[in-house]
Amino acid sequence: DTGVSQNPRHKITKRGQNVTFRCDPISEHNRLYWYRQTLGQGPEFLTYFQNEAQLEKSRLLSDRFSAERPKGSFSTLEIQRTEQGDSAMYLCASSLGYFMRFQETQYFGPGTRLLVL
Amino acid sequence: AQKITQTQPGMFVQEKEAVTLDCTYDTSDPSYGLFWYKQPSSGEMIFLIYQGSYDQQNATEGRYSLNFQKARKSANLVISASQLGDSAMYFCAMREGVGYGNKLVFGAGTILRVKS
Repeated sequence: DTGVSQNPRHKITKRGQNVTFRCDPISEHNRLYWYRQTLGQGPEFLTYFQNEAQLEKSRLLSDRFSAERPKGSFSTLEIQRTEQGDSAMYLCASSLGYFMRFQETQYFGPGTRLLVL
Repeated sequence: AQKITQTQPGMFVQEKEAVTLDCTYDTSDPSYGLFWYKQPSSGEMIFLIYQGSYDQQNATEGRYSLNFQKARKSANLVISASQLGDSAMYFCAMREGVGYGNKLVFGAGTILRVKS
């Protein structure tokens, strides 16, 4: 399987605990995106990496959230001191992108469903 | 202001018939891209079709086609010969610009149910 993979697929945690999600992009893709999707809504952008550099962060990404992409390969998204409002599906996407490339298609992973009790 | 509007929360279609899912968008950037994704109950977002703002022809991919009306800022997805497996949530999304920061902005989605 050469698609985007995410682990774990499901996570249940108690309020106040820290959680970490992992995303493995398609191997040749240089860009990696994190989105959050709550029930009944479309995904919302959280952050984006070009190789190992984190180039953009949404204001949705509070200081309890941190993302890394060491060596420009896999990425992790950590949420510290989880709150019930963090319950959502966290989606990772990757793409092959470069400046002025018009058709940059993002391919998504299966997501990680987080439930904070 | 909403950048992507999908006005149909839910749609039903009879198997083997065609269905159109509506999408309107708002941008002042002349360079943008429009995408449609399918999300089955499993949760994965599956890319269906892309239309660039400078593309002269409407995009087609198998049973999917995009009715792109630039002046009206609409990019409706047409699914021909619907199949039971088409039952899913469908999202329209837009990417503004072609530089760095190519995040997608999504609409709220339309649930499609195909009846046998």
